Amino acid sequence: EVQLVESGGGLVQPGGSLRLSCVASGFTFSSYSMNWVRQAPGKGLEWVSYISSSSDTKYYTESVKGRFTISRDSAKNSLYLQMNSLRAEDTAIYYCARGVDRLDYWGQGTLVTVSS
Amino acid sequence: AIQMTQSPSSLSASVGDRVTITCRASQGIRNDLGWYQQKPGKAPKLLIYAASSLQSGVPSRFSGSGSGTDFTLTISSLQPEDFATYYCLQDYDYPLSFGGGTKVEI
Repeated sequence: EVQLVESGGGLVQPGGSLRLSCVASGFTFSSYSMNWVRQAPGKGLEWVSYISSSSDTKYYTESVKGRFTISRDSAKNSLYLQMNSLRAEDTAIYYCARGVDRLDYWGQGTLVTVSS
Repeated sequence: AIQMTQSPSSLSASVGDRVTITCRASQGIRNDLGWYQQKPGKAPKLLIYAASSLQSGVPSRFSGSGSGTDFTLTISSLQPEDFATYYCLQDYDYPLSFGGGTKVEI
């Protein structure tokens, strides 16, 4: 059974940093591209970042470029999102999702709250 | 960046109704579009990929159509478990972009 489990969310002050993790199981993690998608409270879905299976290709939404970094460790079956210089507008549930042309499996999400 | 305009933003329907949701892309995206269902407090679930392909395990009452800029998700006979919010997502180019969502209510 495919499972994606996020962790690392929490309350952080504006300007602070957090590192989100997503642990994958039930499939060959090293063969799949991965994404981060977020959802602000009461709002719609927003794609955040993509990383290819080999880590050689990465993309970001404009609003997080230069602040967020996506990475992965296939030895640990893990996906990461390093978030720096956090802003109030980054407050959201962050989901990891598998895939490149279809996001076919999603984690349950981890809540990031940016507030003083 | 490609903009996805989804309509309507909400609709009221009854069990057994045929429901249609549309998504329009700001430029041609071939058939690189998916549809997702999200229930309150849950992660999104993939329903349709490549505009018209049914994801494994998804009931056949869900169907998708379209190519280029205009796409449609149809639920042929609405069931109680289908009351949720639906999103389209273009995967033609990065940054990926979602439509604004359609909330299907009783």
